[in-house]
Amino acid sequence: GENVEQHPSTLSVQEGDSAVIKCTYSDSASNYFPWYKQELGKRPQLIIDIRSNVGEKKDQRIAVTLNKTAKHFSLHITETQPEDSAVYFCAAPLRGYQKVTFGTGTKLQVIP
Amino acid sequence: DAMVIQNPRYQVTQFGKPVTLSCSQTLNHNVMYWYQQKSSQAPKLLFHYYDKDFNNEADTPDNFQSRRPNTSFCFLDIRSPGLGDAAMYLCATNLAGVYNEQFFGPGTRLTVL
Repeated sequence: GENVEQHPSTLSVQEGDSAVIKCTYSDSASNYFPWYKQELGKRPQLIIDIRSNVGEKKDQRIAVTLNKTAKHFSLHITETQPEDSAVYFCAAPLRGYQKVTFGTGTKLQVIP
Repeated sequence: DAMVIQNPRYQVTQFGKPVTLSCSQTLNHNVMYWYQQKSSQAPKLLFHYYDKDFNNEADTPDNFQSRRPNTSFCFLDIRSPGLGDAAMYLCATNLAGVYNEQFFGPGTRLTVL
């Protein structure tokens, strides 16, 4: 099945700096990669996703890049703000199945 | 607003006492998922329904059962809760198709005494 590794597990940045979270996946047939943000005590919410036919997607301060050859994708948050503090999960689909495998999560702390 | 609703938000049960968690959705999505999430961990898929078809994960304990009586509702039954079953239980839905975003409910926090 799909194996998704996520790094780092924790990340502290100063407000205004950039944050980068990286995930690697094992199934070369995976073609969709969502990122979820989960604030403490709340539900995961999709913040951005990318399909395998593009290498980068951007939405304001958030971007995701995909390297299909190396089988990794990354979340980039620029000009971080305290409200970006949360746990971020990457995910990748399991080929042939209606489900995704989540990465282990990254706890991002933005220090004011 | 269309949404995913979970009841109750907090559930306390005793060791071994059966409990049922509820999920409903107004999105008319044909796929519904149940996840277990323990502190500082990723959501772990227990099972999902694709329409009426039930799909169990290989490592989901037999202690966990599910029912989906109609498109809108899905239930998670824990037959004999143990201390290790204390967790947040998340329901999610989407339209069939791997590109489609999963919408999560607010979760039910289960405490086992």
